[in-house]
Amino acid sequence: DQQVKQNSPSLSVQEGRISILNCDYTNSMFDYFLWYKKYPAEGPTFLISISSIKDKNEDGRFTVFLNKSAKHLSLHIVPSQPGDSAVYFCAAKTSYDKVIFGPGTSLSVIP
Amino acid sequence: DAGVTQSPTHLIKTRGQQVTLRCSPISGHKSVSWYQQVLGQGPQFIFQYYEKEERGRGNFPDRFSARQFPNYSSELNVNALLLGDSALYLCASSLGETDSYGYTFGSGTRLTVV
Repeated sequence: DQQVKQNSPSLSVQEGRISILNCDYTNSMFDYFLWYKKYPAEGPTFLISISSIKDKNEDGRFTVFLNKSAKHLSLHIVPSQPGDSAVYFCAAKTSYDKVIFGPGTSLSVIP
Repeated sequence: DAGVTQSPTHLIKTRGQQVTLRCSPISGHKSVSWYQQVLGQGPQFIFQYYEKEERGRGNFPDRFSARQFPNYSSELNVNALLLGDSALYLCASSLGETDSYGYTFGSGTRLTVV
């Protein structure tokens, strides 16, 4: 049973516009949510996280929004740049458990 | 400062063989986790070790085993390889057992079983 879902396998966005990547989860015990970015031939790189006690966390061009009642989070990238083209993994964990990853969304930012 | 290093980077093995993958965490990190990533899927948790003790195990058969050494480096062993074991094996390190700020991943070992 997939606890972290990313229903869009791919997304294309024009350079300078906003990229919105969505993620849904089923386990209400998750208390930390993370986004990772992965380029080909590299390991995933930690991007941004949010605690379940918050509904927004911002770091530069990256903002993560959490809607606990809907069990939904999203990553906003503004403005999108060609270097942002990568696979983005949504992940979640409880305080004392492993990180569980979603299947990923491949983002293409078109110059 | 070196990141998480994994060796080898690529490996080709025959069905039925055994393989050992190695990981050196970031200096000072005491927790190592292993993940398997099959093409088109997210990383799947295999093991976590903290202070040389197994702290978690994913839904993988007993053919998969791991250990952590006193210097916090780790090995993942897979016996009796199957074609389905072909994947990218990722090692991740973190400072503590329950690091909420995310793991640091290595670049992975690409295992191909033929």
